[in-house]
Amino acid sequence: EIVMTQSSASLSVSPGEKVTLSCRASQSVSINLAWYQQKPGQAPRLLIYGASTRATGVPARFSGSGSGTEFTLTISSLQSEDFAVYYCQQYHNWPPITFGQGTRVEIK
Amino acid sequence: EVQLVESGGGLVQPGGSLRLSCAASGFTFTSYWMSWVRQAPGKGLEWVANIKQDGSEIYYVDSVKGRFTISRDNAKNSLFLQMNILGAEDTALYYCARGGSYYQSFDNWGQGTLVTVSS
Repeated sequence: EIVMTQSSASLSVSPGEKVTLSCRASQSVSINLAWYQQKPGQAPRLLIYGASTRATGVPARFSGSGSGTEFTLTISSLQSEDFAVYYCQQYHNWPPITFGQGTRVEIK
Repeated sequence: EVQLVESGGGLVQPGGSLRLSCAASGFTFTSYWMSWVRQAPGKGLEWVANIKQDGSEIYYVDSVKGRFTISRDNAKNSLFLQMNILGAEDTALYYCARGGSYYQSFDNWGQGTLVTVSS
């Protein structure tokens, strides 16, 4: 099983700041890595797939990078609606499909 | 517009059974893998099971193997999860999620149906 580890459980960020979230895989997942955003009381929303491709309708301030075992999600200028929990997920070697434990982005 | 609507959740006693359904609309159901993903209260996301477009391939997370059965009815654009021998660890919000035609990122999710296992 590939274990996905997100380096921070939570981050406190001010609106307008740049934020970088990290995700590490226990073995290579190539670029088969997705990022999701989840707001309270809502289902997750796909932001990034293929490590760096934005999903339909996702604002350009969201970008993903990395390959192999190290990945980042960057939000270039945090907006109020971006405060949420972010999950990474690998779909390279499955089953099982595995998620990171999530990083909560909070208002500073 | 893609819509995934789950139903069938509820309160069930330990050892009991429940069948979840997911009604899909707004896309060609037969073109996509489908998954169930769950989220225990206050916890992260856990993939539970998935099924290929024609039902010929099915996979489960180890913790539900032998207890849960995923299925689909392509004629009715529906996904199902039969859950047996439920335990407290199965208490969660269960989401129906659309995978890709091959790659398993989930681009559409339902709103979830809550399963509570308690005596």
